[in-house]
Amino acid sequence: GAGVSQTPSNKVTEKGKYVELRCDPISGHTALYWYRQSLGQGPEFLIYFQGTGAADDSGLPNDRFFAVRPEGSVSTLKIQRTERGDSAMYLCASSSSTSGGAGTGELFFGEGSRLTVL
Amino acid sequence: AQSVAQPEDQVNVAEGNPLTVKCTYSVSGNPYLFWYVQYPNRGLQFLLKYITGDNLVKGSYGFEAEFNKSQTSFHLKKPSALVSDSALYFCAVRAPHTGRRALTFGSGTRLQVQP
Repeated sequence: GAGVSQTPSNKVTEKGKYVELRCDPISGHTALYWYRQSLGQGPEFLIYFQGTGAADDSGLPNDRFFAVRPEGSVSTLKIQRTERGDSAMYLCASSSSTSGGAGTGELFFGEGSRLTVL
Repeated sequence: AQSVAQPEDQVNVAEGNPLTVKCTYSVSGNPYLFWYVQYPNRGLQFLLKYITGDNLVKGSYGFEAEFNKSQTSFHLKKPSALVSDSALYFCAVRAPHTGRRALTFGSGTRLQVQP
């Protein structure tokens, strides 16, 4: 499809389990972002990729969270030893490098992956 | 650090009336400012942005926003509200001079337009 695709749309897991969430960005978009949105809150930044490298991972809450983008397209957010507090909607967004790479272009968001940790 | 405040959790307006959704920001240097809308069970959609130039920017679906540097505000407006405008609205800021590309979002304002 033409938009950002996220899978699964819903994931229910048990405390302590490992989870992977996938994001397929818009074709040709070099920038990819992961955000987390809790109920009643705005999206909270987790990590940003430019190409294959994580250019800014300052939003990752702890070392249980990790993300990769090995070929500069699809990205996977990995959460180890999940905790109930990890329950949230995980959003992925992509953007193109516009305006000479100044990044003034808007972000295009997927519909999110809702994670529930029991 | 950069931050955004949306002081109203919910805004109620009658269809056909003008609407305003408030946003103030805190960032050092000149900001890039954005508005996004989130419909139920849908991803966030871009509405409009202010980068530089004219303080009044126009966006999708008849929305506009005015950048006010002295008041550090970027309120979203529409002259005549539609029931279909009912959704969750997020203001976001980026401080380009820091080199950070990530947007910082506010907590959102739910707009309810009554018929």
